[in-house]
Amino acid sequence: GENVEQHPSTLSVQEGDSAVIKCTYSDSASNYFPWYKQELGKGPQLIIDIRSNVGEKKDQRIAVTLNKTAKHFSLHITETQPEDSAVYFCAEFDYGGSQGNLIFGKGTKLSVKP
Amino acid sequence: NAGVTQTPKFRILKIGQSMTLQCTQDMNHNYMYWYRQDPGMGLKLIYYSVGAGITDKGEVPNGYNVSRSTTEDFPLRLELAAPSQTSVYFCASSKQLANTGELFFGEGSRLTVL
Repeated sequence: GENVEQHPSTLSVQEGDSAVIKCTYSDSASNYFPWYKQELGKGPQLIIDIRSNVGEKKDQRIAVTLNKTAKHFSLHITETQPEDSAVYFCAEFDYGGSQGNLIFGKGTKLSVKP
Repeated sequence: NAGVTQTPKFRILKIGQSMTLQCTQDMNHNYMYWYRQDPGMGLKLIYYSVGAGITDKGEVPNGYNVSRSTTEDFPLRLELAAPSQTSVYFCASSKQLANTGELFFGEGSRLTVL
């Protein structure tokens, strides 16, 4: 089946530093890659997404890059703040499986130390 | 605006008991989903629905049932609960298919089967 590998599983940074989370996927037909942020005790929330017709997308301090040749995409958070501490999930849309299925990575727990 | 509301937030079941997790959304979304989240494992799709009266299986449907009698409600039924169903369950909805629009998640229902 389809698989999304996400690394690292945990990441600790100092406030103000940058954080990078990387995901790799296996289905070359995939063309939609969202990132979700899950705060403690809450449901995941979409923070940014990218489609295969672009290589990079930015929204203030967060950016996502996509390398279709290598089948990987990354989340970049600059000038990290304590409120960025959360679990981040990457995902890809599964065209070969259930019609509504997003395949999620296992998550990265980001801790930003003040 | 309530968004996606799940009840109960916490529940403890004995092996073999049955229960229903309730989910309702007030955004008039056609698509609704049930995911389960196990520690360190990301989110797995259990069932989804593309509209009232239509449901379909996701990756991990065994041991669960759903119904969609109205646009707003998408209850998840657990029959003969087993320890393997101990998890956090998230209901989500979207206006469009998962690769064209944001999924809005509820805050989750933590279920323990003893």
